Amino acid sequence: DIQMTQSPSSLSASVGDRVTITCRTSQSISIYLNWYQQKPGKAPKVLINAASSLQSGAPSRFSGSGSGTDFTLTISSLQPEDFATYYCQQSYSTPWTFGQGTKVEIK
Amino acid sequence: EVQLEQSGAEVKKPGESLRISCKGSGYSFTNYWITWVRQMPGKGLEWMGTIDPSDSYTNYSPSFQGHVTISADKSISTAYLQWSSLKASDTAIYYCARRKHGWFGEVNITWFDPWGQGTLVTVSS
Repeated sequence: DIQMTQSPSSLSASVGDRVTITCRTSQSISIYLNWYQQKPGKAPKVLINAASSLQSGAPSRFSGSGSGTDFTLTISSLQPEDFATYYCQQSYSTPWTFGQGTKVEIK
Repeated sequence: EVQLEQSGAEVKKPGESLRISCKGSGYSFTNYWITWVRQMPGKGLEWMGTIDPSDSYTNYSPSFQGHVTISADKSISTAYLQWSSLKASDTAIYYCARRKHGWFGEVNITWFDPWGQGTLVTVSS
């Protein structure tokens, strides 16, 4: 199985801050990497697929980068509605696996 | 609007059987695989397996193979997740999601969109 390691596990930030979340995979996965946002009590929603392609409807302040084993999700200017948990997910090979999540909290 | 509607919360005892459902609407159900994902209390997301509703081909995560059964009835656009004997450790929220895929250059990427609202399964004596 491909192991996914996100960092940090949690972070505190203020509205307007630039936030960066990292996802590292145990083997190279090219760009087979997606990012999801999950708000408390809600189902996850896809934000970015193929490492850097913004999903239709996702705000442009979200961006993704990376390939191989190292990936980044960036929120350019944190908004109140962005406080949530973010997960990376690889679709390079089954079993498809998720990172452990990064909880973004209000400072 | 593409939607996945899941069945309601369940409370069961250890050893009981259970089947939860996920009904697709707003799209051609047989054109997209359905995936099931587990989220244990306060924990992250775990991919359980996937079914192709057109022919009921399934692909399970080794972690869940033999513990659950994924099935689908394309005539009513519904996928199912089933247990024959529940354990307390099966307590979790279970999400279904539609598998989408697309070409990005030379690579074909899979992602999950949309997701159902989740079904809370509580197993307790």
